[in-house]
Amino acid sequence: DAGITQSPRHKVTETGTPVTLRCHQTENHRYMYWYRQDPGHGLRLIHYSYGVKDTDKGEVSDGYSVSRSKTEDFLLTLESATSSQTSVYFCAIRGTAGGEGYTFGSGTRLTVV
Amino acid sequence: QKEVEQDPGPLSVPEGAIVSLNCTYSNSAFQYFMWYRQYSRKGPELLMYTYSSGNKEDGRFTAQVDKSSKYISLFIRDSQPSDSATYLCAVGNSGNTPLVFGKGTRLSVIA
Repeated sequence: DAGITQSPRHKVTETGTPVTLRCHQTENHRYMYWYRQDPGHGLRLIHYSYGVKDTDKGEVSDGYSVSRSKTEDFLLTLESATSSQTSVYFCAIRGTAGGEGYTFGSGTRLTVV
Repeated sequence: QKEVEQDPGPLSVPEGAIVSLNCTYSNSAFQYFMWYRQYSRKGPELLMYTYSSGNKEDGRFTAQVDKSSKYISLFIRDSQPSDSATYLCAVGNSGNTPLVFGKGTRLSVIA
């Protein structure tokens, strides 16, 4: 999808275990975002990055951390997964439609049991 | 008050109907306005993007922005079953501030 890939696509994990989701882009975009999407809540921003090592919190950042050591990779870590973190996670890059539009990855479906 | 309000639907229409999807926003500082389409089990994809008040047309789709009323709309003419999806509006500013998304309206076009 326009140079953005997420891995894994599906994951089942146990409560209390750490989980890392990866977002990889091939287009050298500065801005990258992590969202979660749940029924009734729409897309909610978890964390975003505006450059290597430059990150900021979104509206639902509790329980999540991120790292961006290279332009192309943006990692989302659930330090100790809980059932409330069962969701579909989308990564996005900014840079379409004159620079302001987002391109989303295909998503990671995470289930915490 | 949430920054962007969007009726979640669901909205069900017959094939060929004109569909109107709407959002309101609260911050008059927003400068650009987008519509995304999301098919089931897929990521959202950018459908329309406008920067000013008025209409922008692309095939069967028209995006309309009224900055004075803080109201944005998406019209779909001659709707098709393939238009069945969730439509999300988004508003934004330049700089580091992320886009603000509506919760999405689920549309079903019945053949």
